[in-house]
Amino acid sequence: AQRVTQPEKLLSVFKGAPVELKCNYSYSGSPELFWYVQYSRQRLQLLLRHISRESIKGFTADLNKGETSFHLKKPFAQEEDSAMYYCALSATTNSGYALNFGKGTSLLVTP
Amino acid sequence: DAMVIQNPRYQVTQFGKPVTLSCSQTLNHNVMYWYQQKSSQAPKLLFHYYDKDFNNEADTPDNFQSRRPNTSFCFLDIRSPGLGDAAMYLCATSRASGAHNEQFFGPGTRLTVL
Repeated sequence: AQRVTQPEKLLSVFKGAPVELKCNYSYSGSPELFWYVQYSRQRLQLLLRHISRESIKGFTADLNKGETSFHLKKPFAQEEDSAMYYCALSATTNSGYALNFGKGTSLLVTP
Repeated sequence: DAMVIQNPRYQVTQFGKPVTLSCSQTLNHNVMYWYQQKSSQAPKLLFHYYDKDFNNEADTPDNFQSRRPNTSFCFLDIRSPGLGDAAMYLCATSRASGAHNEQFFGPGTRLTVL
């Protein structure tokens, strides 16, 4: 079964503290994983994808196939990072690919 | 700016009264998707179009239909809305349907069923 699990519904950290948003997946094939973000009153948008291996807004995520994880990390959280974060797995369907989303983690960065 | 537009942003309908949600895109993308997102839940794919080819998810109820008359527009029709269909409906597009393609989302339409 294809599944994405984000165990934390809400994560609250202080400004300047490190932050890690957890994501675990189950997928029998070779996974393509993404982090999408939704800031207040804005639409859902791509933050980063594992294939790019890049840092976006200071965030990084490493795919760990052994632990089936794709945790999102940032060493020093900023107040503008407060948002809803969704981990997503691109999985094959009968007709191509579809994104399976986790339930999301709401990140609150307080001053 | 190229974007994905959804109208209306808020839609109220009555139990059993058909409703249509609209999505348009200026990105000229081949693929358009409809997701349903209930409160505190993950967005769930209902169906998608690759060009004119319609692809239904196995567990999408028959009550949900879709039309894509041209590249730019895609509609979600709910034939007989029930109280359980109240949700945010998200439209998204992607240039192609490969595994690593980014999806671009509209702002969503929040459907209320009375």
